[in-house]
Parts: sequence; structure tokens; C-alpha cells
Amino acid sequence: QKEVEQNSGPLSVPEGAIASLNCTYSDRGSQSFFWYRQYSGKSPELIMFIYSNGDKEDGRFTAQLNKASQYVSLLIRDSQPSDSATYLCAVFQAGTALIFGKGTTLSVSS
Amino acid sequence: KAGVTQTPRYLIKTRGQQVTLSCSPISGHRSVSWYQQTPGQGLQFLFEYFSETQRNKGNFPGRFSGRQFSNSRSEMNVSTLELGDSALYLCASSQQRVGRLTDTQYFGPGTRLTVL
Repeated sequence: QKEVEQNSGPLSVPEGAIASLNCTYSDRGSQSFFWYRQYSGKSPELIMFIYSNGDKEDGRFTAQLNKASQYVSLLIRDSQPSDSATYLCAVFQAGTALIFGKGTTLSVSS
Repeated sequence: KAGVTQTPRYLIKTRGQQVTLSCSPISGHRSVSWYQQTPGQGLQFLFEYFSETQRNKGNFPGRFSGRQFSNSRSEMNVSTLELGDSALYLCASSQQRVGRLTDTQYFGPGTRLTVL
């Protein structure tokens, strides 16, 4: 069964620290990878996507992809209390659809 | 540009009833996907519609069905509701079919369905 695994957390970091969120996937044929943020009671919103090995930066966010290790991560620099949310990793697998992990809850304390 | 809209936002039904949920995608988006989100299972893919045709289907029973209209609006129907169908139902739209390397999905606010 094709799966996307995330540590459910909660991951607690102090304000200003770097938060590191990790995701592994089982299907080597996975082609693109997405990070969504979901605040409590709200719908997921796209943070960024990545499809090539390496790093991709967007503001305080950096996505890292290692296809050989089947691993994708999201780094949040200078974490703010407003970053407190559940972060969903999603993987696109050809012929199917976006497969989501169950999410990691991040708590940033001021 | 207006975002993805879903109606109704909240719904309470009893077991055995059926329900229809509606989703209007972002203008110009032709793909609509539906997801079920529960605390235990997370976000699970139901189906994707593109150009009025179901392109992909997740692992859900036949009680779950959908359709897409020529204006890309989509409806999802659940028949013979069960208690376990209580969930947040999300739709997401994208310009093309999900899977192009640079295409992304944008989610609507969801419909919270409670089955009593």
C-alpha cells in the first residue's frame, strides 16, 4: 500500500527557532511533493511544492527532497506563533492522485 | 479572483439519508478533486473530475459518487449515510489534472457533515 508517513507530533519549538518537519513516502514513482498548512477549523493552504532533488526556498520556508531516500522535509526558519498549525505532506503518484500524510502539529511558543 | 466555494458549510443528517455537496472551483480551473478528512484517517482522496469525466477514484464504497458539470462545478453525493461518514469534506481545484509537475490544488473551506 502506498503511504505517506509523518510524525504526528506535536513538535514544539520556541519563537525564532527553526522547525523541521519530515515526511517519508513509499512509492518510488512519486513525482511531485507538496506541503500544506492547516489551521484548526480551516482548510489546507499550499505552502510550497518541490519535484527536483535538493532544496527549494521561499521566504522563511525551505523544502528539501531526497528521492533516493524517499524523504521530503520542510524547514521553517525564525518560527513565529502564527506558524502554529498542522503541516500536511502530500505526494503525487502517477495514475492516482495526491496522497496525504496525517500531518504534523507544530506549536511555536512565544 | 474568487477562491473555491463549497455549499453548504454545515450539514446534519441521520443514518440512511443521502446528501449532496456542491463545489465551485476557481474560475478557469477545470479539475475538481474531493477529499474526506477525519481525525483518525486524515485527508483521504475520494475522486477527481476533469472535463466532466471522473479521472481517478479513491478507495471508497460505491455510496460515494460525484459528477462535474460543463462549467466545472462539481457535486458529490453520499447515499445511505452511515455514522462513519461524519467528516469534513473538502474539494480542491486546479487548472489542469492533478499531476503536472507544476500544477497545484487549492482547497475550498469544506462542508462539515454530521451523521446522527
